[in-house]
Amino acid sequence: SAVISQKPSRDICQRGTSLTIQCQVDSQVTMMFWYRQQPGQSLTLIATANQGSEATYESGFVIDKFPISRPNLTFSTLTVSNMSPEDSSIYLCSVLPGPGGGYTFGSGTRLTVV
Amino acid sequence: DAKTTQPNSMESNEEEPVHLPCNHSTISGTDYIHWYRQLPSQGPEYVIHGLTSNVNNRMASLAIAEDRKSSTLILHRATLRDAAVYYCILRDHSGAGSYQLTFGKGTKLSVIP
Repeated sequence: SAVISQKPSRDICQRGTSLTIQCQVDSQVTMMFWYRQQPGQSLTLIATANQGSEATYESGFVIDKFPISRPNLTFSTLTVSNMSPEDSSIYLCSVLPGPGGGYTFGSGTRLTVV
Repeated sequence: DAKTTQPNSMESNEEEPVHLPCNHSTISGTDYIHWYRQLPSQGPEYVIHGLTSNVNNRMASLAIAEDRKSSTLILHRATLRDAAVYYCILRDHSGAGSYQLTFGKGTKLSVIP
């Protein structure tokens, strides 16, 4: 299965600033997904990122707040823009597996906005 | 996506088998049953998935009811490292549905030494 390196693992940021989270995969993958996990909650999908096309956002998430880049088949970034304390969450990337496999997740970025 | 229902929490004694149930009465014919678990402070980890037949791998077994409206994840000997939140998720493999996983609240498994 694919191996994902997600950076940073954690950060504390000032409100009003932006943070870019990186997700690097050790193999080429078609689809990458970005999730948010608020404290004590389950995972919620933010968007699906395909290489060469605009990301597809889920209801309640907009591109201006969470711009995503997908420059190639092994890399994606998620930016959390103009942050407020309500953005304090764990952000995770995930990749679509090859045939017969399960999805692989990064270890997450724990974001605290103060 | 079809919904799943799981107990909020379960307890097990160490080294005993654990049966984690999942109800999915609205499952469609092309939905696979996926199980993931999330250990504390980590991203979710794939456990197992299946369509109709029971499945075994090195981590667990998946028992699927004949009518596919329920399934059970079986950990044969629980260890302290199995303490996690276990998610039962349906995913359409037909290609017509979306590719993402939709997470419910899952079952928090506690393992007692």
